[in-house]
Amino acid sequence: DQQVKQNSPSLSVQEGRISILNCDYTNSMFDYFLWYKKYPAEGPTFLISISSIKDKNEDGRFTVFLNKSAKHLSLHIVPSQPGDSAVYFCAASGSGGSNYKLTFGKGTLLTVNP
Amino acid sequence: DTEVTQTPKHLVMGMTNKKSLKCEQHMGHRAMYWYKQKAKKPPELMFVYSYEKLSINESVPSRFSPECPNSSLLNLHLHALQPEDSALYLCASSQVDRPNSPLHFGNGTRLTVT
Repeated sequence: DQQVKQNSPSLSVQEGRISILNCDYTNSMFDYFLWYKKYPAEGPTFLISISSIKDKNEDGRFTVFLNKSAKHLSLHIVPSQPGDSAVYFCAASGSGGSNYKLTFGKGTLLTVNP
Repeated sequence: DTEVTQTPKHLVMGMTNKKSLKCEQHMGHRAMYWYKQKAKKPPELMFVYSYEKLSINESVPSRFSPECPNSSLLNLHLHALQPEDSALYLCASSQVDRPNSPLHFGNGTRLTVT
């Protein structure tokens, strides 16, 4: 049973527009959420995170929103750039402040068209 | 350039072979991880080492044997693997004493078992 779900396998966006990637989770014990980006032939790279005590975290063009009641988070990229084209993984960890047991979603392939 | 280095990048081995995957980091991280990723699937945790001691084994078959010889190195010894073990094997590291420290991944070893 998937505890972290990314229901859109792919997303295509025009350069300069907003990209919105979505993630749902089922485990109420998750209290920390991360987004990783992965280019082909490379390992995942940490992008941005959010604690369950917040509902928004922003870092440059990237903003993550958390809706705890809906068990939903989203990653907004604005403006989108062709170099953002990659697979984006949502990940979650449980209580205790430890990332030891990250649970990943299946990923969403983002394509930003010039 | 990734700060976590994995060798080799590609490995083809027969079911009777013995081989080892190597991982090295010099960020002073005291937690190191092995993940396995199959095509179009999320990374799955295999092992976690904390302060060079095995702290998590996610019920991984004994044909996979991890080793952490020092704080910078992590090995994964492979023996009598099956074709279904073919996957991308990712090493990662993180700080232990900082809550929710993100994982830093290497670029992985693409393993093919014939």
